[in-house]
Amino acid sequence: DTGVSQDPRHKITKRGQNVTFRCDPISEHNRLYWYRQTLGQGPEFLTYFQNEAQLEKSRLLSDRFSAERPKGSFSTLEIQRTEQGDSAMYLCASSLTARSYEQYFGPGTRLTVT
Amino acid sequence: QKEVEQDPGPLSVPEGAIVSLNCTYSNSAFQYFMWYRQYSRKGPELLMYTYSSGNKEDGRFTAQVDKSSKYISLFIRDSQPSDSATYLCAMLIQGAQKLVFGQGTRLTINP
Repeated sequence: DTGVSQDPRHKITKRGQNVTFRCDPISEHNRLYWYRQTLGQGPEFLTYFQNEAQLEKSRLLSDRFSAERPKGSFSTLEIQRTEQGDSAMYLCASSLTARSYEQYFGPGTRLTVT
Repeated sequence: QKEVEQDPGPLSVPEGAIVSLNCTYSNSAFQYFMWYRQYSRKGPELLMYTYSSGNKEDGRFTAQVDKSSKYISLFIRDSQPSDSATYLCAMLIQGAQKLVFGQGTRLTINP
C-alpha cells in the first residue's frame, strides 16, 4: 500500500498525559499537512510542512502542540498535557508541492482523552 | 459566519436516484474546489477537484462550480448503497496550502 499511513489508529489517554502520533506520507510527496476533525464537523487545518520546514501554523495549534518532520519524510504530532477538548480525529495528508489541491489523507488517529 | 457552508443532512434516497450535494462559500478568493468522500471512522478520500468555474465529470460523479453565485454542487447518478458516506466539500485559495472544509453531508442510499 503506497498511501498515507498513520499510527496509532486509536489512542486513549488520561487528561494531563502527553501523546505522540506518527504520519508517513506518500513517498514522493514533499508537502505534509495535519488537520483535526471533531464529530460532525469537517477537518480543520493545523499545520503544514514543505520538506522538513514547517511553514504555516493555525491559531488552533496551541503551545501544547508541536509537530516535526525532521528528515522531510515522516512527521510526528505531539500533544502535551492533554485536555478533554483535544479529543478528536487527527488527520495527516500529503501532496506534491505544486498540487496542494490534491491532498491525500491517511486513515487518521482517533484520540480520546478521559 | 463560516467560510464554507454545507447542509449536514442527513440525506436518505433510494438506490438509483440522482443525488445533489451542495456547498456555498463566502470567500471569493477560492479558486480550487474539491469533493471528498469519508466512510465512517476512515480518512477523507479525494473524489475530484475543479479549478474555477464550470463542470467536471468522472464516471457517475459530476462536479459543478458557479463562482458568480459562490455555489458548488456534486451530482451522483445511479446512486448505489456503497455511495453511503459523508461527503465533504473543500476549497483552496490559489497559492495557499490549507483546505477549508464544509461540515459534511451524511448520505444514505437505501437498497
